[in-house]
Amino acid sequence: DQQVKQNSPSLSVQEGRISILNCDYTNSMFDYFLWYKKYPAEGPTFLISISSIKDKNEDGRFTVFLNKSAKHLSLHIVPSQPGDSAVYFCAARQYSGGGADGLTFGKGTHLIIQP
Amino acid sequence: DVKVTQSSRYLVKRTGEKVFLECVQDMDHENMFWYRQDPGLGLRLIYFSYDVKMKEKGDIPEGYSVSREKKERFSLILESASTNQTSMYLCASSYDLNSPLHFGNGTRLTVT
Repeated sequence: DQQVKQNSPSLSVQEGRISILNCDYTNSMFDYFLWYKKYPAEGPTFLISISSIKDKNEDGRFTVFLNKSAKHLSLHIVPSQPGDSAVYFCAARQYSGGGADGLTFGKGTHLIIQP
Repeated sequence: DVKVTQSSRYLVKRTGEKVFLECVQDMDHENMFWYRQDPGLGLRLIYFSYDVKMKEKGDIPEGYSVSREKKERFSLILESASTNQTSMYLCASSYDLNSPLHFGNGTRLTVT
């Protein structure tokens, strides 16, 4: 049962426009959400995160929105640049109170920025 | 900057071999993780550790074991490699529960 879902395997956006990547989750115990970016032959790199007590977090061109009632988050990239072409993973963490928990990842969305 | 180093970028092993994947982090992080990445399946957690000599099973631990004898090093062991373990293996570490994971560049393992 997939707890973190990225329903779009790929997304194509024109350079300069807004890219919106979506993520849905089913586990209401998730309280911390992250986005990672991955280039081929490299490990994922952390992009931006949001705690469940917030509904928005912004860092430069990247903004993450969280809608807890809908169990939905989205990543907005404005303006989109060619270097943004990569696979984006949504991830969520459930705080167990007893130590580290690994993140649960979605399957990823391949973002392609077209010139 | 946090550095997570995986000892091999590419590895080819035969079915039945014992395989060791090594990972070292240089930031004194408490938590370390092993994931595998497969097309269409995203990243799946195999094992993690929140302290030396401590280990916890992730979502897909079958066929794997781990070792954490020192804080900076976390090893993934395939006791008897099988072809369905052909994958990209990613090691990660984090300072605490509320910190992002920092990933290594991955080891692409092929089992023939």
